[in-house]
Amino acid sequence: KQEVTQIPAALSVPEGENLVLNCSFTDSAIYNLQWFRQDPGKGLTSLLLIQSSQREQTSGRLNASLDKSSGRSTLYIAASQPGDSATYLCAPQPGGGADGLTFGKGTHLIIQP
Amino acid sequence: DTAVSQTPKYLVTQMGNDKSIKCEQNLGHDTMYWYKQDSKKFLKIMFSYNNKELIINETVPNRFSPKSPDKAHLNLHINSPELGDSAVYFCASSPLAGGYNEQFFGPGTRLTVL
Repeated sequence: KQEVTQIPAALSVPEGENLVLNCSFTDSAIYNLQWFRQDPGKGLTSLLLIQSSQREQTSGRLNASLDKSSGRSTLYIAASQPGDSATYLCAPQPGGGADGLTFGKGTHLIIQP
Repeated sequence: DTAVSQTPKYLVTQMGNDKSIKCEQNLGHDTMYWYKQDSKKFLKIMFSYNNKELIINETVPNRFSPKSPDKAHLNLHINSPELGDSAVYFCASSPLAGGYNEQFFGPGTRLTVL
């Protein structure tokens, strides 16, 4: 059974800093991995999807890397802004079909103005 | 707007009163899902449907039944809800296209069972 751990559980930093959020998963037989953000009382917004054959994906100030063999992914946020404050969730998907995502508990990020 | 939508946003009910949550996606996706987020904010898959066919049914009490009238809709019916069913329920959809299987989530429905 896939288990996902996200470190740190919470992080509070002043704006402008570069950040790294970590995700580890126990079963490396994944098809892809998705990063989301969740704002309080809101749904999940997809940030990036990395296929198992890829090493990294970039979108704006976000860069996600994947080391499938070691069961790790990182989300790098450059030049953080107060609007980046949210909970960030990592979710590997076991197969390429209609498999559900397995979620970690997330990293609660606060960017101080 | 192209999106995954859910109704209602909030649902309050007494124990034993059957309720339904509706989900619609206009993204043209083949697969739809239901997830549950409990009070500790932990998200877990409940069901997935591909082209109106049930693919995954995790260990979910049988009082929960998904219904898919067509590929764009996946409704969640809760028969005689219990106190422990209070949670936020999220609908999601994804294409089944060559492996770029990005999932898109709806805004969630907060169910409160009294």
